Amino acid sequence: GENVEQHPSTLSVQEGDSAVIKCTYSDSASNYFPWYKQELGKGPQLIIDIRSNVGEKKDQRIAVTLNKTAKHFSLHITETQPEDSAVYFCAEALKTSYDKVIFGPGTSLSVIP
Amino acid sequence: DVKVTQSSRYLVKRTGEKVFLECVQDMDHENMFWYRQDPGLGLRLIYFSYDVKMKEKGDIPEGYSVSREKKERFSLILESASTNQTSMYLCASTNWTSGSYNEQFFGPGTRLTVL
Repeated sequence: GENVEQHPSTLSVQEGDSAVIKCTYSDSASNYFPWYKQELGKGPQLIIDIRSNVGEKKDQRIAVTLNKTAKHFSLHITETQPEDSAVYFCAEALKTSYDKVIFGPGTSLSVIP
Repeated sequence: DVKVTQSSRYLVKRTGEKVFLECVQDMDHENMFWYRQDPGLGLRLIYFSYDVKMKEKGDIPEGYSVSREKKERFSLILESASTNQTSMYLCASTNWTSGSYNEQFFGPGTRLTVL
């Protein structure tokens, strides 16, 4: 079945440093990979996504890369700020009768001022 | 702004009680979802609905049922709550289009404790 692994489970960085979260997926039919950020007391919110026909996508300080052959994808946050502290979920999605989204277990990122 | 609201932020119930969790979205989305979130397990899909009165089981439907009588409202029901259903419950909604993926919009969550 579909499965998404995510590492590390916790990550602490100094403000201004970069943070990298890595994910591996199992279903080769997946072709959409969203990343969600969950701040304390809130529901997850989409921050960036990438489709299987693209290898890299960037939006200001965040970027995602996808290696479809290896079934790896990663989130890169540069120049981290305290407001980046949150739980981040990677996910793979399949187009079935609905948009089936399989979430990874999450990474708790702490940015230390 | 899309808004997904959940009826309670915190709920404490006793084993065996019937529990209703309510979710309302204001964006006329066709699809609605119920997930539970547990540490180290991420979000797991319990049930989803793609139309009024239509529902399908997700990955962990045992012990739960759902109701969608109106397009904007999706309810999760625990017929007889058990301690292993203590968790954070998240509702989400999205449009569905055949050619592309759509963002899921989440509510703030309901933290349910079953004693």
